[in-house]
Amino acid sequence: DGGITQSPKYLFRKEGQNVTLSCEQNLNHDAMYWYRQDPGQGLRLIYYSQIVNDFQKGDIAEGYSVSREKKESFPLTVTSAQKNPTAFYLCASSAAGTGDYEQYFGPGTRLTVT
Amino acid sequence: SQQGEEDPQALSIQEGENATMNCSYKTSINNLQWYRQNSGRGLVHLILIRSNEREKHSGRLRVTLDTSKKSSSLLITASRAADTASYFCATDVLKRSGAGSYQLTFGKGTKLSVIP
Repeated sequence: DGGITQSPKYLFRKEGQNVTLSCEQNLNHDAMYWYRQDPGQGLRLIYYSQIVNDFQKGDIAEGYSVSREKKESFPLTVTSAQKNPTAFYLCASSAAGTGDYEQYFGPGTRLTVT
Repeated sequence: SQQGEEDPQALSIQEGENATMNCSYKTSINNLQWYRQNSGRGLVHLILIRSNEREKHSGRLRVTLDTSKKSSSLLITASRAADTASYFCATDVLKRSGAGSYQLTFGKGTKLSVIP
């Protein structure tokens, strides 16, 4: 059963703590993405990776970090430097990172920082 | 500012009616995609239309693209309560010079409510 998974579904953290969101795919996709979605808003690109061991900053990378050590995994760390981390985080993957492939999305992780 | 902007922001219709959502964008594109998002869930890809295509169909969905006006529309015919969701257009935007560096930029979406 192919797909993309994110865990956990809900995450609560205290301000000042780093937190890592998990994203795994078994679609054999080269490209993976992290987006942030705020209420009533569209998706904003945080980081993307077109191939293993390579990743690039998106539009709102400040306060976030990623790694891509394995093809199937692309974890996102929300650091204490992120000023407003409470949001819905979506991970996606595509066969290639050229913009003309459909993206497959995970179910999302809702992060609340108090 | 957003590359893609959907219009209207919200749309409420009766079951069985058609729903039309529009998307306008600013810069040239290679392709445009439409996605659907149920409340609190991930996005699901609906359809991709390339810049050299004018119209594309998929089941009850019809997408048009007018590159001269930099706009696209998504038509859902004979709507059902299960079509209630937010619909987003996404355009490919050059993020980094060099091959394969186009990424999707999403609009803010149209929230569709289909009343049974």
